[in-house]
Amino acid sequence: GEDVEQSLFLSVREGDSSVINCTYTDSSSTYLYWYKQEPGAGLQLLTYIFSNMDMKQDQRLTVLLNKKDKHLSLRIADTQTGDSAIYFCAESISNTDKLIFGTGTRLQVFP
Amino acid sequence: GAVVSQHPSRVICKSGTSVKIECRSLDFQATTMFWYRQFPKQSLMLMATSNEGSKATYEQGVEKDKFLINHASLTLSTLTVTSAHPEDSSFYICSASDPEGKANQPQHFGDGTRLSIL
Repeated sequence: GEDVEQSLFLSVREGDSSVINCTYTDSSSTYLYWYKQEPGAGLQLLTYIFSNMDMKQDQRLTVLLNKKDKHLSLRIADTQTGDSAIYFCAESISNTDKLIFGTGTRLQVFP
Repeated sequence: GAVVSQHPSRVICKSGTSVKIECRSLDFQATTMFWYRQFPKQSLMLMATSNEGSKATYEQGVEKDKFLINHASLTLSTLTVTSAHPEDSSFYICSASDPEGKANQPQHFGDGTRLSIL
């Protein structure tokens, strides 16, 4: 089966960088995604990376992809209290619109 | 951008009641919609994939008679939790695929419905 694993919890000080890690299993995924979920809300797409890329930077967000190890990470620079949320990585299933979500990482930012 | 509206946002009802949740794509036609269930502090679990004009495809372990899905138009899918019991209490989230959309954004999500059965 497909399992996408993340660490459960991350706590950082405001202004520091946050790094959220994810390991996935389907090497044929075309895209990998990072979503943000605030309390009681749906999912917001933060960023994505195409499977033939190693890195993608989008303002404060940097995505690193190690395809050999099936490892994906999201770095948030200058983390703010508004970044406190649950972050999910997700992989696409080939030739479908289906997504497999990771277990989620709860990011807590303290002043 | 593509917007998905989900209603109601919160439902509290008595055990035995059937509850309908609506998922609408507001500015695009969605040939495929997805229904997820999320338990507290857990990930999203895909319940079923709904295609317009055909029967929904349920994931293993999801009771199709318990969770009725109807996708009667290209902009509306509904999930009905029939004869709901306290164990059905959960956060339900829908999403929709835009066939004209970009491959790098496969699904657009609603804001979720928190269902509480007393």
